[in-house]
Amino acid sequence: GAVVSQHPSWVICKSGTSVKIECRSLDFQATTMFWYRQFPKQSLMLMATSNEGSKATYEQGVEKDKFLINHASLTLSTLTVTSAHPEDSSFYICSGGGGVGDTQYFGPGTRLTVL
Amino acid sequence: QKEVEQNSGPLSVPEGAIASLNCTYSDRGSQSFFWYRQYSGKSPELIMFIYSNGDKEDGRFTAQLNKASQYVSLLIRDSQPSDSATYLCAVKDSGYALNFGKGTSLLVTP
Repeated sequence: GAVVSQHPSWVICKSGTSVKIECRSLDFQATTMFWYRQFPKQSLMLMATSNEGSKATYEQGVEKDKFLINHASLTLSTLTVTSAHPEDSSFYICSGGGGVGDTQYFGPGTRLTVL
Repeated sequence: QKEVEQNSGPLSVPEGAIASLNCTYSDRGSQSFFWYRQYSGKSPELIMFIYSNGDKEDGRFTAQLNKASQYVSLLIRDSQPSDSATYLCAVKDSGYALNFGKGTSLLVTP
């Protein structure tokens, strides 16, 4: 299957700082990338969908000014959590589409802890 | 509202048995259906996808789709303790995004 990488795999930061998470499709071109958030023992929640070269589409209730998404190329998307607060602590997972049958392949996730 | 429903479980099966995981969806326009496995603390990994009515087999896994009943299932034959995980059903219409169910927790006991 297609491979998606994420960096960093975990990050701890102080409240008020910004954190950038990178998502790369390694062996395919991801025309569309997705960002999810998952709280403990809960299901995946789609945050936003981004297409290369265009603005991301955010799900209802997701603050676009807080979660900045950039999809600069067919292999790279970034999520920046601005002015992070403890309630932003979560498991953030990206996925890339555009693979076989428009299947989504997930990155390994980034665990964010905001102190 | 496009709903994807799964029994949260846990579903417990003995090692070597067949595990049957079920999923129903509300959107009749759904076109493709996916099963993902998620181990605790890890991201989902794709098991298989199915587009057409009927069965699709891949190794120990069989996906079954019945669009008339809006029902998709996953069978795991010869279940192993390493299959213990949460299984996520996901449904896609003609758009880009997947709509996930909340997942079924499977426990395979030795």
